Order: sequence, then C-alpha cells, then structure tokens
Amino acid sequence: NAGVTQTPKFRILKIGQSMTLQCTQDMNHNYMYWYRQDPGMGLKLIYYSVGAGITDKGEVPNGYNVSRSTTEDFPLRLELAAPSQTSVYFCASDRTGSYEQYFGPGTRLTVT
Amino acid sequence: AQSVTQLDSQVPVFEEAPVELRCNYSSSVSVYLFWYVQYPNQGLQLLLKYLSGSTLVKSINGFEAEFNKSQTSFHLRKPSVHISDTAEYFCAVSLIQGAQKLVFGQGTRLTINP
Repeated sequence: NAGVTQTPKFRILKIGQSMTLQCTQDMNHNYMYWYRQDPGMGLKLIYYSVGAGITDKGEVPNGYNVSRSTTEDFPLRLELAAPSQTSVYFCASDRTGSYEQYFGPGTRLTVT
Repeated sequence: AQSVTQLDSQVPVFEEAPVELRCNYSSSVSVYLFWYVQYPNQGLQLLLKYLSGSTLVKSINGFEAEFNKSQTSFHLRKPSVHISDTAEYFCAVSLIQGAQKLVFGQGTRLTINP
C-alpha cells in the first residue's frame, strides 16, 4: 500500500495563476480531506468529502475548489493564486468509524 | 463550534526527562480527542485517541494521555523522552455526532536536548 500520495511536492506560482494539487489514496477510505498548515496556526480544514460525488466546505474554503469523482482521488484546485495561499497543503483520508486519519507527505506552495 | 488550545508553542527538555504537553478544548457537545505527531518534513500520524472507555490512553512508544472531562483537558505525557521524540505534536477534537472531521490546536514543538 502506498497510502496517501500527493503531487507535486513543491511548487512556485505567480499571483493570478491556477493549479491543481493531486491526492490519491489506495486504502478504499470513504473520507478524504484537504488541510493547509501555516506556522503557529496548526492545520485548518479547507474541504472534505464523505464519498465519491459528495464534498463540503471546511473552515477556510475561500479561493479553493474540489471535486471527488472516484473513491481514490480528491484534487484541490486553486484559482487566481494569491500570496495568502502560500502554505503547506496536506491531504488525508479515513474510514467511517475508524477516526484515524492518514496523511500524505504534503505539498509546499509558494505564491509570489 | 469547537476549539482546541495548546498552551505551549515550544517545549525544550533534556533527554530522559519527563514531559507534559498541555491541551484544553472547548465544546458544547461531546467530542472525541486525539494527539497527532509530525516528524520533520513529514505528514501527521496518529499517536493516540480517546473515543470511549478508560480515560487513560497509551501509545506504543510510551506516550499516554488522560481525558479529564471536568477540566476539558487531554494532556500528553511521557516519563522519559528520547532524541527520536523530537517533533511537533498536535491535539485535535472531533464531534461524536455528524461528519468525521478534526479541529486542531496550534501545535507544540518538542525539542529534546542531549
């Protein structure tokens, strides 16, 4: 099992550009999540999904979009990147009732 | 809404000394409680969790945490730390009812000095 994989590992964007962060899990988990981690702020939930075709907003959804067409994949889309979106992004997955989220290695994004 | 407060942003200790990382939460309804650990340049991984039963929960590497409902706390302790415990530790809560999602504290960076 590869667990949760994320691509790319690093990315530099210019203000106004768009990109998609990829996340895939091979554990057949129904829950998937996107977080951002900023120094001294902990992790903030951006979006989550309880299964294919079902997504919902977290604490900080503005400036992001998600889709979930399959159980395995949960891409995060940034439209019109802004410096405030400079952060480390983590994808995670979980199974209903387990309450053990498995995290990917993260994507470090810089917007300049 | 729920919130989690980790009272110390950084905790330096000497190797083989005991350590306590403090966590308090606020919620109007019952919650589950978690500690996650993040080693340098890695994602987070679950250290231990309290869902029900005994209020004292233990991890496989010697950490333990006690759920104290009256003080709304879930402090993490280890009687003797090792260099390999150097990491950032995050306390988190999840509602018992509804969607399975976490609210994290700000994190505590544990530094072990030889």
